[in-house]
Amino acid sequence: GAVVSQHPSRVICKSGTSVKIECRSLDFQATTMFWYRQFPKQSLMLMATSNEGSKATYEQGVEKDKFLINHASLTLSTLTVTSAHPEDSSFYICSASKGEAGELFFGEGSRLTVL
Amino acid sequence: GQNIDQPTEMTATEGAIVQINCTYQTSGFNGLFWYQQHAGEAPTFLSYNVLDGLEEKGRFSSFLSRSKGYSYLLLKELQMKDSASYLCAVRDSNYQLIWGAGTKLIIKP
Repeated sequence: GAVVSQHPSRVICKSGTSVKIECRSLDFQATTMFWYRQFPKQSLMLMATSNEGSKATYEQGVEKDKFLINHASLTLSTLTVTSAHPEDSSFYICSASKGEAGELFFGEGSRLTVL
Repeated sequence: GQNIDQPTEMTATEGAIVQINCTYQTSGFNGLFWYQQHAGEAPTFLSYNVLDGLEEKGRFSSFLSRSKGYSYLLLKELQMKDSASYLCAVRDSNYQLIWGAGTKLIIKP
């Protein structure tokens, strides 16, 4: 398999602050990474596709100015939740595809709690 | 629209066999994936089907019928650690992954 690492696993912040989440592919180069959001007892919701060296592609309804994505290298993508509010509290998961089938390998996920 | 249906919750007994069904309606088809997700954790890849038939991998098997828009995940010799949500995902003609809501599997002793 492939290893994708995500950090931090848990973060608690005050409303109005910004939070950065890192996603790294440890043993392969990922030109494309994906950021998901998951609410309790719901399925994964794709937020954006992160492309190395270019702008991310956001899904409809996702505010690109609020969820800043940077994919500066082939092994690192970051998601910054700017001016976080309680409604942004969620489980954020990154993934990258690898292998013949293009199956996704997920990071551990980051649970964000905004007070 | 695109849609993936799977049961919300299933219960099975340790040591038994359980089949989790997934039906899909998508714009095109480029493969179907099954993922396992334990509570509070990220999903992990279980299986991939792109051709009709059964793919077996240890205790887990996955079946696909493209003409029926149907797949199932079969889990044998259930163990308590198999308690998790099982997500079905289909890759459409644009190579976008469409996710099902997941099936929560509860294993009882």
